[in-house]
Amino acid sequence: KAGVTQTPRYLIKTRGQQVTLSCSPISGHRSVSWYQQTPGQGLQFLFEYFSETQRNKGNFPGRFSGRQFSNSRSEMNVSTLELGDSALYLCASSFARADTQYFGPGTRLTVL
Amino acid sequence: AQSVSQHNHHVILSEAASLELGCNYSYGGTVNLFWYVQYPGQHLQLLLKYFSGDPLVKGIKGFEAEFIKSKFSFNLRKPSVQWSDTAEYFCAVNGLRGKLIFGQGTELSVKP
Repeated sequence: KAGVTQTPRYLIKTRGQQVTLSCSPISGHRSVSWYQQTPGQGLQFLFEYFSETQRNKGNFPGRFSGRQFSNSRSEMNVSTLELGDSALYLCASSFARADTQYFGPGTRLTVL
Repeated sequence: AQSVSQHNHHVILSEAASLELGCNYSYGGTVNLFWYVQYPGQHLQLLLKYFSGDPLVKGIKGFEAEFIKSKFSFNLRKPSVQWSDTAEYFCAVNGLRGKLIFGQGTELSVKP
């Protein structure tokens, strides 16, 4: 089976812009979670989607949003980018909500 | 609130030395426990997991971990490390929902 794929792999944006990241889960997986990884804060949970519904949300401002489509693919959006949003954004998929999560390679976002 | 604590931020070992990385979590309910590894330039990979049953679990590449419920611990061990084990190791826990809580990570450097 193909693993979790994320596009794009790298992004450079400027402050104030918005960005959309995409994630395709492993075939058959219905749960998708997003994480932000930074050197200072480590890996932090953003949100979880299951059956096209957001089931769980981390402690991030409303500028961070996401959605899941009927084919389980997911997107996350960050509006009004700030310098502190520079990070590696990881997507993970699992068959069921509390099941093992498998991670994609991430999207490296740099905000200038 | 759930939290995960990894005891060491950076561990330096020589090849063939034994490894033990500490992980403690706080959560009152049923948990699933994981160790993930991130090799340089690669994405986060599952090393091993504990859901239930035998508290001593074996993972890939000769790693094992022991779940001690009374101590809320899930320590990772390897009898003899190799240079190729140089990586960052993350302990993680989730409850009944698809939200992984990660420790801060332990960077392991193995000297040849």
